[in-house]
Amino acid sequence: GAGVSQSPSNKVTEKGKDVELRCDPISGHTALYWYRQRLGQGLEFLIYFQGNSAPDKSGLPSDRFSAERTGESVSTLTIQRTQQEDSAVYLCASSFRGKKNEQYFGPGTRLTVT
Amino acid sequence: LAKTTQPISMDSYEGQEVNITCSHNNIATNDYITWYQQFPSQGPRFIIQGYKTKVTNEVASLFIPADRKSSTLSLPRVSLSDTAVYYCLVGDAGGYQKVTFGTGTKLQVIP
Repeated sequence: GAGVSQSPSNKVTEKGKDVELRCDPISGHTALYWYRQRLGQGLEFLIYFQGNSAPDKSGLPSDRFSAERTGESVSTLTIQRTQQEDSAVYLCASSFRGKKNEQYFGPGTRLTVT
Repeated sequence: LAKTTQPISMDSYEGQEVNITCSHNNIATNDYITWYQQFPSQGPRFIIQGYKTKVTNEVASLFIPADRKSSTLSLPRVSLSDTAVYYCLVGDAGGYQKVTFGTGTKLQVIP
């Protein structure tokens, strides 16, 4: 079946511009997660959705970062006024409710801020 | 959240069995142990999960001693394609606590 998809796969933007990253989870997965991975580093948790609600937003680095999810499906991660330190791969994952240890990841969006 | 400690890197020759150990001294009763594999330029991939004793699937085996304060991921007869970063995670399956990925173990398989 279809896996987690993310778009765009690559995004180059100028410092100060806003970007939107999209994630389409596996159908039926009620939980959705966003992570950031800088080059050569581990995964940094950003936000977690259960359904359309985000019980844990603790990982969002600043108020320039926001995320939403609609219809218990697609999610968008928005970064406003991008900075060079935002350059990273942004990974989305989804899982069944109660199975957050078993996450299925998308291929990621590579964001480069120039 | 239970903190995990695993080696930063390991090298192995092709055809050998590789064992990667993860320490998690403050594991909680409801926590499971999960391992992921990440190839370059890809998202992590779930490979195995266990609670106690031994779990085996087509990819790997997971050994968990009785005190559950550590676990060992065993990869039989590795090939070059097993070169990846392996992450050990500890946490309960439900609830709202986030899943925390550490820095993982970078396994390099040598011909």
